[in-house]
Amino acid sequence: EVQLVESGGGLVQPGRSLKLSCAASGFTFSNYYMAWVRQAPKKGLEWVATISTSGSRTYYPDSVKGRFTISRDNAKSSLYLQMNSLKSEDTATYYCARLERYNWMDAWGQGASVTVSS
Amino acid sequence: DIQMTQSPSFLSASVGDRVTINCKASQNINKYLDWYQQKHGEAPKLLIYNTNNLQTGIPSRFSGSGSGTDYTLTISSLQPEDVATYFCLQHSSRWTFGGGTKLELK
Repeated sequence: EVQLVESGGGLVQPGRSLKLSCAASGFTFSNYYMAWVRQAPKKGLEWVATISTSGSRTYYPDSVKGRFTISRDNAKSSLYLQMNSLKSEDTATYYCARLERYNWMDAWGQGASVTVSS
Repeated sequence: DIQMTQSPSFLSASVGDRVTINCKASQNINKYLDWYQQKHGEAPKLLIYNTNNLQTGIPSRFSGSGSGTDYTLTISSLQPEDVATYFCLQHSSRWTFGGGTKLELK
């Protein structure tokens, strides 16, 4: 069974950093592109970052580019999201997702809640 | 960047009704369009990928269609367990979600 389990969420002050982790199991992690998607309270979904199988290619929307860094450790079947210079508008539930054939998100974690507030 | 406009934002329908939800892309996305269902308090779940391909385990009352810039999710006969918010996602160029459609029972 495919499982994605996020961790590392919490309350953080504006301007500070936080690192999320996603532990994958039930599939060959190194064969899949992976992504982070967030959802602000009572809002829609927003794509945050994508990483290639080896980690050599990463993609971000303008809203987080330069502040967030996606990375992975294939030996540990783990995905990460380093979030720096956090803003109140980064408050959201952050989901990790598996990309089938580099494109559609066919498996999702349960989400990690991040609150940016003083 | 490709923008996705989803409609309606809110939909109320009765059990057994045929329901349609639409997504319009700001440019041709070549059928690279998926649909997701998100029930309250849960993670999104993939229903349909690349316009009309039903994900394994999804009931056949769900179907998708479209081309170019216009795409549709259809529920042929609404069931109580279909109450959820539905999102489209384009993956033709990077990834962009539609704004969502909240579906409730009348």
